Amino acid sequence: AQSVAQPEDQVNVAEGNPLTVKCTYSVSGNPYLFWYVQYPNRGLQFLLKYITGDNLVKGSYGFEAEFNKSQTSFHLKKPSALVSDSALYFCAVRDGGSSASKIIFGSGTRLSIRP
Amino acid sequence: KAGVTQTPRYLIKTRGQQVTLSCSPISGHRSVSWYQQTPGQGLQFLFEYFSETQRNKGNFPGRFSGRQFSNSRSEMNVSTLELGDSALYLCASSSVAGYRETQYFGPGTRLLVL
Repeated sequence: AQSVAQPEDQVNVAEGNPLTVKCTYSVSGNPYLFWYVQYPNRGLQFLLKYITGDNLVKGSYGFEAEFNKSQTSFHLKKPSALVSDSALYFCAVRDGGSSASKIIFGSGTRLSIRP
Repeated sequence: KAGVTQTPRYLIKTRGQQVTLSCSPISGHRSVSWYQQTPGQGLQFLFEYFSETQRNKGNFPGRFSGRQFSNSRSEMNVSTLELGDSALYLCASSSVAGYRETQYFGPGTRLLVL
């Protein structure tokens, strides 16, 4: 069975500081990993994904994520936070070993950037 | 390109009623997936359709059903509504079915069951 965990319900960061939102996963096959962001009263917006290749994935709005197979992690990072980055962030995983696999979302991490 | 559109955006129903939600995917996208988002259960996968065929289904009771039309538009139906069905229902589309593809989400339909 596959699963994904976001251990922090909330992350608080000062504007201009680097930010990290954590995600760990468990799948039996190759992991396909995704990050989405949700602003209030909006649907989800795609940020980035890892399918294969370079472990460092660059995405929208200056975000990047690092795939770490040994630690089964896919943490989201940004070198310098903006107040406008404040939102709810979801990590998701799909088992690449099965075309019938479902996408599983983490519980979400609320990111708050203070001016 | 226009994004994924969902109608209606807001809906209020009473227990026992049924509801139909609509999703129009991005032009050219043939795969549509549905998700339920609630504060307690988070984001949960409902179903996935591709070329009018249901490819995958989440762990929801039979009261939840869906379909996809030849123009790729999709509808989901919930019969005999329960209070716990109150949620934000999100639709997502992708160009092809499959796990490599990025899904693009609509704004959602917020359903309140009284």
